[in-house]
Amino acid sequence: QKEVEQNSGPLSVPEGAIASLNCTYSDRGSQSFFWYRQYSGKSPELIMFIYSNGDKEDGRFTAQLNKASQYVSLLIRDSQPSDSATYLCAVVGGNKLVFGAGTILRVKS
Amino acid sequence: SAVISQKPSRDICQRGTSLTIQCQVDSQVTMMFWYRQQPGQSLTLIATANQGSEATYESGFVIDKFPISRPNLTFSTLTVSNMSPEDSSIYLCSVETDKTYEQYFGPGTRLTVT
Repeated sequence: QKEVEQNSGPLSVPEGAIASLNCTYSDRGSQSFFWYRQYSGKSPELIMFIYSNGDKEDGRFTAQLNKASQYVSLLIRDSQPSDSATYLCAVVGGNKLVFGAGTILRVKS
Repeated sequence: SAVISQKPSRDICQRGTSLTIQCQVDSQVTMMFWYRQQPGQSLTLIATANQGSEATYESGFVIDKFPISRPNLTFSTLTVSNMSPEDSSIYLCSVETDKTYEQYFGPGTRLTVT
């Protein structure tokens, strides 16, 4: 079982819709969770982090964490074509960041 | 967040040669990391570079192949030694801020080995 699992996609949503990206992790002791956005040919950019159960909102982004279910998600409201990218989930495990394989998001105008 | 630069941004190298990649940060940071990202794949941690001590390598990566230097709190280098085509990849450095585990990445070095 992979430590951090994401659906590779692509996830296609129309412009203005909500994009929902999901991530599950295997280390029940993980306490810190991150979402990175990576445009094609670019390096990953940190967009959200969450440490506590529940929701954390930042602009159009909401991160959701459920430690009991070992599940973290990223919601993007009012999706724009500029949101089209690969979204990487990262979880702290063994004192290091462990990255999922990423979900490709395509926002269609 | 810190401003991170890497040199070179890309290179094409011949089999059997070595390439040294530089990572420069605009502020002092304790933790620096080197990752590899192969085409269409996610990030794999190569090693953690701490100033004043030897780098800590992840399983599958050895110092003879990927020697790392960390002479001060703003600079690190990764050398890819005795390269083969399997080393073709994007190499990324990252830094951890004073907030634990939040990492920020440099622009990457795209390496092609022929």
